[in-house]
Parts: sequence; structure tokens; C-alpha cells
Amino acid sequence: DTAVSQTPKYLVTQMGNDKSIKCEQNLGHDTMYWYKQDSKKFLKIMFSYNNKELIINETVPNRFSPKSPDKAHLNLHINSLELGDSAVYFCASSQEITGEKLFFGSGTQLSVL
Amino acid sequence: GDSVTQMEGPVTLSEEACLTINCTYTATGYPSLFWYVQYPGEGLQLLLKATKADDKGSNKGFEATYRKETTSFHLEKGSVQVSDSAVYFCALSGYGGATNKLIFGTGTLLAVQP
Repeated sequence: DTAVSQTPKYLVTQMGNDKSIKCEQNLGHDTMYWYKQDSKKFLKIMFSYNNKELIINETVPNRFSPKSPDKAHLNLHINSLELGDSAVYFCASSQEITGEKLFFGSGTQLSVL
Repeated sequence: GDSVTQMEGPVTLSEEACLTINCTYTATGYPSLFWYVQYPGEGLQLLLKATKADDKGSNKGFEATYRKETTSFHLEKGSVQVSDSAVYFCALSGYGGATNKLIFGTGTLLAVQP
């Protein structure tokens, strides 16, 4: 059983399109995250939700909108995709709000053409 | 702000060689420190952690000691295996406003050859 699962694994799309990435965790954790990993493997937090409430929102363009319908799900919607959005996006979860021990999904590789 | 600096890779070693991956940090307060590992095609996994000065984290033969005086948390292993080939990330827990957040270094690729 996959603890943190995200779909799709690969996403290839054209500039200007809108796309979504879904994430689900079955660990019973209260806190979920989205991280972006660029081509140089640099990993940066984008958002964090605790019990469906946004608690961390880094300086991410408004085109990125997270949605948490319940505490087991955190989806990421991206409007008007740009070339620079190409990256691997990781969903993660943690039991504590302190977010020290994170459980990561296997990533979604987004390629914007 | 808080930050983590780790040595650039790739680090290429032969099997059974000794490994050291350097990590230094800048932080206000007293963060917890972590090493995460990312195997090819997978998400990151927590490898080890240390929560206060002089603590040593260890797991799977890897060790790292929290050195407050040198603000370092170097990862070491005495004898690496091919299966250790992965990207290793040093991280610290920094204050993100309402809560803490993990701040990662840029990752170091380790390639172990048979």
C-alpha cells in the first residue's frame, strides 16, 4: 500500500494550458505539503496545509492554487503553464505540524513545451 | 534567512570506500538537522536526524553529528555499497511562520561503483 500517492507520474503539456496534480495520503497525517524540485535537484517548499487549512504559502505565483478537500488530499492546480514550471513536484505529509519527518510521494514530472 | 549548504556532487566512490558528504547550515535559534535520501525515481526518505548539539543520528550504517560550534552536520559512512547510490539532502527545520518547515540543501549525488 502506497503511503503518499500522487498522480499523474508524468505530465507533458503545452504552454498556456491548465493542469492538476492530485495527492492522497493514507497515513492519517494532519499536515500535507507541495515541494518543487528543479532540474538541479534543488527542493523548495511551495505550500503546506494542516487539517485542510493553509499554513505555509511561499512566494509562489498566483497561477498555482492548492486545494485540500479533506486532510487526506492535497491537490495542486496550475493555470497558464509556463516553460519555467517544468520540474518535478513532490507531495509530502507529516504527522506533526512541525513537519520534521516527512513522507514523500514519488513525484510528478511536469514538462511544459 | 535559514539556509543549508552542502557539497556539490557528483561523488563517485568504489564499493567499500569511506564516504563523507559535507553539510553546513545557517539558522536562528536551535534547529533540528536531517539527512534525507532520494533513490532513483522515488521520493525523499528520512535517513537520520539530530535534534540538539552533539547529538549523533545514525541509520543503515550512516552517521552524522550535530556540531553547533562549526554549524555542521556531515554525513559519513565507513563502507559504501552500490545500493547506497542516490541523492542525499541535508535539511534543517526552520520557522515558517505558523509552524516549522524543512529547508533543504541542493542535494549531493552519490554514485558507488562495483
